[in-house]
Amino acid sequence: EAAVTQSPRNKVAVTGGKVTLSCNQTNNHNNMYWYRQDTGHGLRLIHYSYGAGSTEKGDIPDGYKASRPSQENFSLILELATPSQTSVYFCASGDPGQTNSDYTFGSGTRLLVI
Amino acid sequence: GDSVTQKEGLVTLTEGLPVMLNCTYQTIYSNAFLFWYVHYLNESPRLLLKSSTDNKRTEHQGFHATLHKSSSSFHLQKSSAQLSDSALYYCALSDRYSNNRIFFGDGTQLVVKP
Repeated sequence: EAAVTQSPRNKVAVTGGKVTLSCNQTNNHNNMYWYRQDTGHGLRLIHYSYGAGSTEKGDIPDGYKASRPSQENFSLILELATPSQTSVYFCASGDPGQTNSDYTFGSGTRLLVI
Repeated sequence: GDSVTQKEGLVTLTEGLPVMLNCTYQTIYSNAFLFWYVHYLNESPRLLLKSSTDNKRTEHQGFHATLHKSSSSFHLQKSSAQLSDSALYYCALSDRYSNNRIFFGDGTQLVVKP
């Protein structure tokens, strides 16, 4: 079954440390996305990708980098983690530019930066 | 650019009463796709229903919505709320020109009480 898998499910990081969140999809979608979800803000787009080798800034990219080494994998990188980046992060894949297509979301990564 | 407005951040109602969650949107494109996603606690957001056809009722799992392009609305309704409907609901919009992304509203938290 096609799916989006995120790892880790939970992560505790120290302020100033580097954090890498990983995402793998078996949907063969061209596009992948990283969102964070916070109470009162809904889903906010951090970075996205059109395909292997491409990354694009979303609405809140500051403090984050992204890497898309292959069709299947899309990573979100926090080079210098801060407490304000404590959140739940969701990866998604999809091709919404195609007729009636939508996203498939991963299960989320809960990140706590202390 | 495209945007989605969900005015109600929280809707609380009693089991058995009708549900209506409001969604309006803005886009300059006539071929927009509208979605409702549901996000249960500790799960992934998942698609509830979607539509791109004007004035056509779309139904799934007891919920329904009708896209009205004249008023740019896509309200989610259910005739009788159940306790298990308690979740975060996102209205979302895409069109084939918007860089392959879906625009999400801020979400409406639905709480159904006995």
